[in-house]
Amino acid sequence: AQSVTQLGSHVSVSEGALVLLRCNYSSSVPPYLFWYVQYPNQGLQLLLKYTSAATLVKGINGFEAEFKKSETSFHLTKPSAHMSDAAEYFCAVTFNQAGTALIFGKGTTLSVSS
Amino acid sequence: SQTIHQWPATLVQPVGSPLSLECTVEGTSNPNLYWYRQAAGRGLQLLFYSVGIGQISSEVPQNLSASRPQDRQFILSSKKLLLSDSGFYLCAWRYLGYGYTFGSGTRLTVV
Repeated sequence: AQSVTQLGSHVSVSEGALVLLRCNYSSSVPPYLFWYVQYPNQGLQLLLKYTSAATLVKGINGFEAEFKKSETSFHLTKPSAHMSDAAEYFCAVTFNQAGTALIFGKGTTLSVSS
Repeated sequence: SQTIHQWPATLVQPVGSPLSLECTVEGTSNPNLYWYRQAAGRGLQLLFYSVGIGQISSEVPQNLSASRPQDRQFILSSKKLLLSDSGFYLCAWRYLGYGYTFGSGTRLTVV
């Protein structure tokens, strides 16, 4: 069975500071990993995904994540936070089989202060 | 281009009333379709998924059901809503191997 654990339900940073959102996964088969962002009362927007190519994945809005198999992690980072980054972030996992769904973590709310 | 439509955007229903939420996909054929529910503090819970017309898999026992009457249509239903059915419902489809796109969601409040 696959699962995702997001460490920290709420992260607060100052504008211009480093953003680090943590995600650890559990999977018995090679995983495919995703980060999504959700703004209030909206659907999910894909930030980036790892599908067994380069382990350092660059996404939209200056975010990136690194797949570390030895640590079973896929942490999301951004060098400098903007006020517009305040949202809820979800890490998700799936694997290589037709029809499989995304399994999500419980989410991390990012707050950015000026 | 491929798009996903979900409606209504918001819905307030009394306890015991029926429910029907619709999701349609354009620009593709035979998509894998999914219904998720998001409740406060619980992340996104997979409710149902479908790999084809009439093929529905349920992930959790609940008061809801799903149907796929057409290739690009996925419907979430209930005969009698409970207070615990309140939440944000998201439809999604899977494309190009491992891409997933989500609809804009339906905020359901059961009163």
